[in-house]
Amino acid sequence: DAMVIQNPRYQVTQFGKPVTLSCSQTLNHNVMYWYQQKSSQAPKLLFHYYDKDFNNEADTPDNFQSRRPNTSFCFLDIRSPGLGDAAMYLCATRPEPLSSYEQYFGPGTRLTVT
Amino acid sequence: KNEVEQSPQNLTAQEGEFITINCSYSVGISALHWLQQHPGGGIVSLFMLSSGKKKHGRLIATINIQEKHSSLHITASHPRDSAVYICAVRFLNGNQFYFGTGTSLTVIP
Repeated sequence: DAMVIQNPRYQVTQFGKPVTLSCSQTLNHNVMYWYQQKSSQAPKLLFHYYDKDFNNEADTPDNFQSRRPNTSFCFLDIRSPGLGDAAMYLCATRPEPLSSYEQYFGPGTRLTVT
Repeated sequence: KNEVEQSPQNLTAQEGEFITINCSYSVGISALHWLQQHPGGGIVSLFMLSSGKKKHGRLIATINIQEKHSSLHITASHPRDSAVYICAVRFLNGNQFYFGTGTSLTVIP
């Protein structure tokens, strides 16, 4: 059974047209992460939520925003996508931030910007 | 400085070969993960280690805390094992995941 679900799996958007990616989890985990992974590169953390507390990475562009309306759902909003934002976007969850807990990844959403 | 290095970057093997992928890191860690990513796909967590050795089927992961080194072994490799294998660590001085650049494995029938 899917535990971390990302929709859609593939998303095509136009340059400058806002887009929202969705992540949901059935694990009731407190922590949710968004990563960006460009071709042939390691995933890069954009931000994470610990419960309702939002934590932005210092080098995450302002173009990227996130919402977490409840424990199960987290959204990634890209306000004005550029060609450089084309990537795989990965959502992950953990029960708690403590290192002893494993992180669970969703299948990812591949974003294409035309 | 928090660094994670993987080797080799690319690996081609014949079906049935024993495969080893290595991961080294710079400072003390609280946990190390081995992840598998198929082309165009998401990431699957294979192992989480903080010490010793873990085995799951044909996969074996070991970690040497003193040497700051971990290895992922695949026994009796199969073409379906072809994927990118990523080492990710959580350092003692922080809570963020640091990823290695990945090892791209191709197993030829």
